[in-house]
Amino acid sequence: GAVVSQHPSRVICKSGTSVKIECRSLDFQATTMFWYRQFPKQSLMLMATSNEGSKATYEQGVEKDKFLINHASLTLSTLTVTSAHPEDSSFYICSARGTDSYGYTFGSGTRLTVV
Amino acid sequence: GESVGLHLPTLSVQEGDNSIINCAYSNSASDYFIWYKQESGKGPQFIIDIRSNMDKRQGQRVTVLLNKTVKHLSLQIAATQPGDSAVYFCAEKDSSYKLIFGSGTRLLVRP
Repeated sequence: GAVVSQHPSRVICKSGTSVKIECRSLDFQATTMFWYRQFPKQSLMLMATSNEGSKATYEQGVEKDKFLINHASLTLSTLTVTSAHPEDSSFYICSARGTDSYGYTFGSGTRLTVV
Repeated sequence: GESVGLHLPTLSVQEGDNSIINCAYSNSASDYFIWYKQESGKGPQFIIDIRSNMDKRQGQRVTVLLNKTVKHLSLQIAATQPGDSAVYFCAEKDSSYKLIFGSGTRLLVRP
C-alpha cells in the first residue's frame, strides 16, 4: 500500500531557531500534500495545501512566512517552522494524495517542542 | 478549517459490546468521508470510507452510516476490543480535495 515517510518523529529546538520537517511518498507520486497541526486533545487542523511545483495555499490564520512549505518534487514536501517559539510546539502531520482522488496517506507525525 | 475541536468527548464501553461513534459534518457539498483511528503520538490510521452516493458501508467489524439529510456520520464497531481504544476522527473531503477533520471522540474499552 501507499506509504508516506515523515521525519523527524521528534525534535526539540531552541526558541528562535528553524526546524525542517520532511515528508516523502515512498511508492507513489504525491500530486498534493497537506500539512496539519494538532494540539493536545484536539483535532487535526489543516494548515496548508501544496501541489507539486506550485506555491502552497495556506488556511486562514496560518502565517505563510512562518511556516514555509516546499513541494519541489512529486515525492517530497517539506515544512519549515521559522523562528520557532514555544507556542509552535505541537504535533505536525503530513498527508499525501496521489492521482487517485480518494486516496489520502498520512505520515506518522512530528512532535515539535520549542524550548 | 471548518470543524474545530476544542474538547474531546469520551465514549466508554465494555469489552465485547458494540460501539457507536457519531460525527456531524459541516459541508453539504462534501462527497467523500473517512473514519480514522489515532493512537497517542501517531498519525491517523484509515479505518473505513464512504462516498456520498452511499448510505452504508461495511468492513471487518466496522460499519459506517451516512445520513446526508442531517449531515451525520456514524462509525459502528462490533465486539469492541481493548485494542480499539484510541481517538476516532471523521473527515470530509470538500470539492478542492481538502480533508477536513471533525472534533474526535476518545473510545475507552473497559476490560
